[in-house]
Amino acid sequence: GDSVTQMEGPVTLSEEAFLTINCTYTATGYPSLFWYVQYPGEGLQLLLKATKADDKGSNKGFEATYRKETTSFHLEKGSVQVSDSAVYFCALIPTYTGTASKLTFGTGTRLQVTL
Amino acid sequence: ETGVTQSPTHLIKTRGQQVTLRCSSQSGHNTVSWYQQALGQGPQFIFQYYREEENGRGNFPPRFSGLQFPNYSSELNVNALELDDSALYLCASSSGQGLYEQYFGPGTRLTVT
Repeated sequence: GDSVTQMEGPVTLSEEAFLTINCTYTATGYPSLFWYVQYPGEGLQLLLKATKADDKGSNKGFEATYRKETTSFHLEKGSVQVSDSAVYFCALIPTYTGTASKLTFGTGTRLQVTL
Repeated sequence: ETGVTQSPTHLIKTRGQQVTLRCSSQSGHNTVSWYQQALGQGPQFIFQYYREEENGRGNFPPRFSGLQFPNYSSELNVNALELDDSALYLCASSSGQGLYEQYFGPGTRLTVT
């Protein structure tokens, strides 16, 4: 079945450091890929998405590129801020078949940014 | 525009009891999905409702059931609660099936003792 694997956390960085959170997936066909962020005590927010190979999703300084050849969708940010501290989830939706759009999530990676 | 809301925020139940969780979808959204997020894990898909019909289900037993109402709000019912049902239950609404963005509510934290 479909699955998403993320690097384990927590990831601890100093403010202004470069961030990479690795994500790889297993799915048939051409899934759509997502990064969600969960701040403490809140629900999930969509951070960015990519729906086909070589697409780059970007938002709020974060970006990720859909790499079909390596089945990866790594999240990057050039300079993190303390306010970026949260849990980040990589997720996919299988190739759309007209039925339920089921998100399959990774286990999440906690990011802690310190001054 | 009101976002997705869920009630209650927290709930404590005893093993064997039944629970109902509620979700109000975002205005204009006709699709609601429910997810279970155990501590330290990613959310797991329970089921999805589209225009009042269940149109997809994850690997959850029949004691997890749901409803969607004409105003597209939704309920998640869990019977015969087990300790492993303790989790954050997330509701997400979208404006259709497929690749429409799913907007998540803040969740209901259920503790089963």
